[in-house]
Amino acid sequence: NAGVTQTPKFRVLKTGQSMTLLCAQDMNHEYMYWYRQDPGMGLRLIHYSVGEGTTAKGEVPDGYNVSRLKKQNFLLGLESAAPSQTSVYFCASSYSEWTGSYEQYFGPGTRLTVT
Amino acid sequence: AQSVTQPDIHITVSEGASLELRCNYSYGATPYLFWYVQSPGQGLQLLLKYFSGDTLVQGIKGFEAEFKRSQSSFNLRKPSVHWSDAAEYFCAVGENSGGSNYKLTFGKGTLLTVNP
Repeated sequence: NAGVTQTPKFRVLKTGQSMTLLCAQDMNHEYMYWYRQDPGMGLRLIHYSVGEGTTAKGEVPDGYNVSRLKKQNFLLGLESAAPSQTSVYFCASSYSEWTGSYEQYFGPGTRLTVT
Repeated sequence: AQSVTQPDIHITVSEGASLELRCNYSYGATPYLFWYVQSPGQGLQLLLKYFSGDTLVQGIKGFEAEFKRSQSSFNLRKPSVHWSDAAEYFCAVGENSGGSNYKLTFGKGTLLTVNP
């Protein structure tokens, strides 16, 4: 049981490049989330999904897009990277009918630098 | 909108001393409350949670927290800190309103340093 995994762990992009971050969970969770973490800012929600095929905007969605084509995967895309998107990105998942519990489980993070 | 305040940005304690990390929340109804810990370069790990019932909840690694509705607080405590507890701690509040039980709002974190 791997929990929540994220790919890649590190990435350096040039301004204007695009990339996709992949999150996968094997806990059969309904909900998945993407956060960014910046020093002194805590975690801020970018986008989230409450089920396969659904997505919604969080607190800081601009410049990002997401897709959830399969229940176990949640992709975060940057179409045209900007230096302001330099951050550590965390994926999380929560809730299954089996457990009925809402705590979120986090992946190990992706450190992205945009130059 | 819900919000979480962790008043202490950085706390330093000696190994073996007791610890209390403060968390205040703003939410109209009964919230779901969580404490997470993050070691350097790692993801967040759940320490404990409060959904309902007993207001004193026990977590992993010897931590506990007490929900005080009258003070809108959910402070984290540990009677004797170990050097391995050095990390950043995040308090979070979740919406508890039927179908909206799927978003958390995090505090900005408290960095704990443990002196030998």
